[in-house]
Amino acid sequence: EVQLVESGGGLVQPGGSLRLSCAASGFTFSDYWMHWVRQAPGKGLVWVSRINPDGSSTSYADSVKGRFTISRDNAKNTLYLQMNSLRVEDTAVYYCARDRAYFDHWGQGFLVTVSS
Amino acid sequence: EIVLTQSPATLSLSPGERATLSCRASQGVSSYLVWYQHKPGQAPRLLIYDSFNRATGIPARFSGSGSGTDFTLTISSLEPEDFALYYCQQRSNWPITFGQGTRLEIK
Repeated sequence: EVQLVESGGGLVQPGGSLRLSCAASGFTFSDYWMHWVRQAPGKGLVWVSRINPDGSSTSYADSVKGRFTISRDNAKNTLYLQMNSLRVEDTAVYYCARDRAYFDHWGQGFLVTVSS
Repeated sequence: EIVLTQSPATLSLSPGERATLSCRASQGVSSYLVWYQHKPGQAPRLLIYDSFNRATGIPARFSGSGSGTDFTLTISSLEPEDFALYYCQQRSNWPITFGQGTRLEIK
């Protein structure tokens, strides 16, 4: 069974940093593009970032470019999102998702709250 | 970027009724339109990909149609577990974008 389990969220002050993790199981992690998608309170889903199977290619939404870094450790079957210079508007539930040209499996999400 | 507009924002229906959800793209996306179901506190669930293909395990009461700019998700006879948020997403142009969602609520 495919499973994606996020961790690492929480409360952080504006300007602070957090690293999210997404532990994958039930499939060959190193075969797939992976993504982060977020949902701010009361808002819809927004794509954040993606990474190719070997980690050599990444993309970001303009709203997080230069502040967030996506990475992966295929030996540990884990996806990461390093979030720096966090802003209040980054407050959201963050989901990792597997890419099969569409998102066929998602994690349950982890809340990141940026507040003073 | 392509903007997806979903309508209605909220749909109030009773179990057993037919639900019709719409998604309109600001420019053509061919058939690269995906539908997800999302319940609070849960992972989004893939329902339909590439306009009309049901994902694995999705009941036959869910169907998708459309191409170009206008798409429809139909639930033929609502079950209690179908009341949730529904999002469309396009994968035709980068960056991928989502609609703002339709909330399907019990009348």
